[in-house]
Amino acid sequence: EDQVTQSPEALRLQEGESSSLNCSYTVSGLRGLFWYRQDPGKGPEFLFTLYSAGEEKEKERLKATLTKKESFLHITAPKPEDSATYLCAVQASDYKLSFGAGTTVTVRA
Amino acid sequence: DAGVTQSPTHLIKTRGQQVTLRCSPKSGHDTVSWYQQALGQGPQFIFQYYEEEERQRGNFPDRFSGHQFPNYSSELNVNALLLGDSALYLCASSFGQGYTEAFFGQGTRLTVV
Repeated sequence: EDQVTQSPEALRLQEGESSSLNCSYTVSGLRGLFWYRQDPGKGPEFLFTLYSAGEEKEKERLKATLTKKESFLHITAPKPEDSATYLCAVQASDYKLSFGAGTTVTVRA
Repeated sequence: DAGVTQSPTHLIKTRGQQVTLRCSPKSGHDTVSWYQQALGQGPQFIFQYYEEEERQRGNFPDRFSGHQFPNYSSELNVNALLLGDSALYLCASSFGQGYTEAFFGQGTRLTVV
């Protein structure tokens, strides 16, 4: 069964304090790994798709990387508006999408 | 472009009742997937509709059923509601069965009392 584990569960950062979120996965035939941002009471917002080990994607203060067993989401010099829950998901060969439980990031000014 | 729209936004139902949730996909998308998200958890895949057929299904009982219409919009039906069905129900749309760019709606918050 496909599994996605995110760590840490929660992360409290000072504004400007860079950090990384981890997503480890086991999946049968990875089609893609996805990162989403979710604000309270809202639907997930698409951030990145990664398809193969070694791939990297960047968007503003966020950078996602992928290895054969895990992905990292790096937040560089975060701002309070980066506070959210970040979700990682993997799509297997059968097209099913499996999500992790998420990492809740709080950035204090 | 209105993006993915879901209705209603909130719903309160009594245990044992039936409920229908609706989803309109983003313009240009033809695939709709449904998810259940309990508080503090990641979304759990319910099923995916493509070309008006259920293509994939997660570990949900037959009480959960769906439909996709020719205009690609979709419905999620839940029968014999249980207290444990209380959750945020999310709809995601994409083009084709892959998730190259899957967009989620705001969700429907279902409370079963």
